[in-house]
Amino acid sequence: GAVVSQHPSRVICKSGTSVKIECRSLDFQATTMFWYRQFPKKSLMLMATSNEGSKATYEQGVEKDKFLINHASLTLSTLTVTSAHPEDSSFYICSARNSGRAYNEQFFGPGTRLTVL
Amino acid sequence: GESVGLHLPTLSVQEGDNSIINCAYSNSASDYFIWYKQESGKGPQFIIDIRSNMDKRQGQRVTVLLNKTVKHLSLQIAATQPGDSAVYFCAAPMGPRYSSASKIIFGSGTRLSIRP
Repeated sequence: GAVVSQHPSRVICKSGTSVKIECRSLDFQATTMFWYRQFPKKSLMLMATSNEGSKATYEQGVEKDKFLINHASLTLSTLTVTSAHPEDSSFYICSARNSGRAYNEQFFGPGTRLTVL
Repeated sequence: GESVGLHLPTLSVQEGDNSIINCAYSNSASDYFIWYKQESGKGPQFIIDIRSNMDKRQGQRVTVLLNKTVKHLSLQIAATQPGDSAVYFCAAPMGPRYSSASKIIFGSGTRLSIRP
């Protein structure tokens, strides 16, 4: 149980295009999901908290118009990188909090490798 | 500001030896800590956690020690195997307890490499 999936696992796009990444909780409901990004050999940096049915909460320094988050159901959150540029190339990881379990129990997805040419 | 997970960046151990990965935190109010393992190209994997009312917790081949006095915790891996090669992060929830606003913040991590 407690599986989180991400799609796609890898994506390569041209500069200026938008890319959508999906995060799904497969066997539990998640009112809250989180989006992290990770640069090579660096730690995970929290970008935003995605709340089902409401607006996402972004961390300081993260452009909300650049990284659009939608959490339309209890099992799906999407992150759209708009007008992507090479500096947006990174490893994007989502996590989901099980609504029925302890507040601090989060399950992580396998990550999405974004490369912007 | 608050920080968690000030690690040494790398650790190299002989296969079969025990590994000890250290982590420090700054917020004395932190009451819950988690260790994650991240293999190359994958998401973090939960290893073990510990609450502040405990000094030690053991899992399968892993032990976490918490010293609240000096705000330090460690992850010990017994009989290290090649499959233990990964980056290890300690992390802690930040924000209001028992709240959807609580979020997990990661430290910088330690890359564990195994010598044959």
